[in-house]
Amino acid sequence: EVQLVESGGGLGQPGGSLRLSCAASGFTFRRYWMHWVRQAPGKGLVWVSRINSDGTSTNYADSVKGRFTISRDNAKNTLYLQMNSLRAEDTAVFYCVRDSTTGYFDSWGQGTLVTVSS
Amino acid sequence: QSVLTQPPSVSGAPGQRVTISCTGSSSNIGAGYDVHWYQQLPGTAPKLLIFGNSNRPSGVPDRFSGSKSGTSASLAITGLQADDEADYYCQSYDSSLSGYVFGTGTKVTVL
Repeated sequence: EVQLVESGGGLGQPGGSLRLSCAASGFTFRRYWMHWVRQAPGKGLVWVSRINSDGTSTNYADSVKGRFTISRDNAKNTLYLQMNSLRAEDTAVFYCVRDSTTGYFDSWGQGTLVTVSS
Repeated sequence: QSVLTQPPSVSGAPGQRVTISCTGSSSNIGAGYDVHWYQQLPGTAPKLLIFGNSNRPSGVPDRFSGSKSGTSASLAITGLQADDEADYYCQSYDSSLSGYVFGTGTKVTVL
């Protein structure tokens, strides 16, 4: 069974940093592209970032470009999101998501809440 | 910001049929990119409902169906049930943004 378990959420200061992790199990992690998707309280889903299977290619939404960095450690079956220069509008539940290989998201983690506030 | 537009809400009585539209543009749905649908039950993570415009993953009832035409797509739910109450999102890829896009989301209410 595919399992994606996020951690690292919590309270962050405006202008500060947080690092999210996603532990993957139940599938061959190194073969799949992975994404981060976020959802602000009471709002819709927003795609944040994507990384290819070997970590050599990444993409970001304009709203986080230059502030967030996606990475992965295939030896540890773990996906990361380094979030710098945090803003209040980054407050959201962040989901770790597996790409099916054809552009849809076939497995989702339970999410981790990031709150940016002073 | 969502580039795929959905109605904020739809409702129907048990057993009825409801449809949810997803309107895009020439840089996403109209460019030929597939549309996928997700169901998000209250307080839970989204779950894949339809992929590749009209395909159902294993375990999804055939009461759910999807279609795509031009710059739009639709999700239909027939035989509406109480546990279909959820938020539904469409998703595609946008070549202008070089990224993945979601719809604005639709809340389905069973009367």
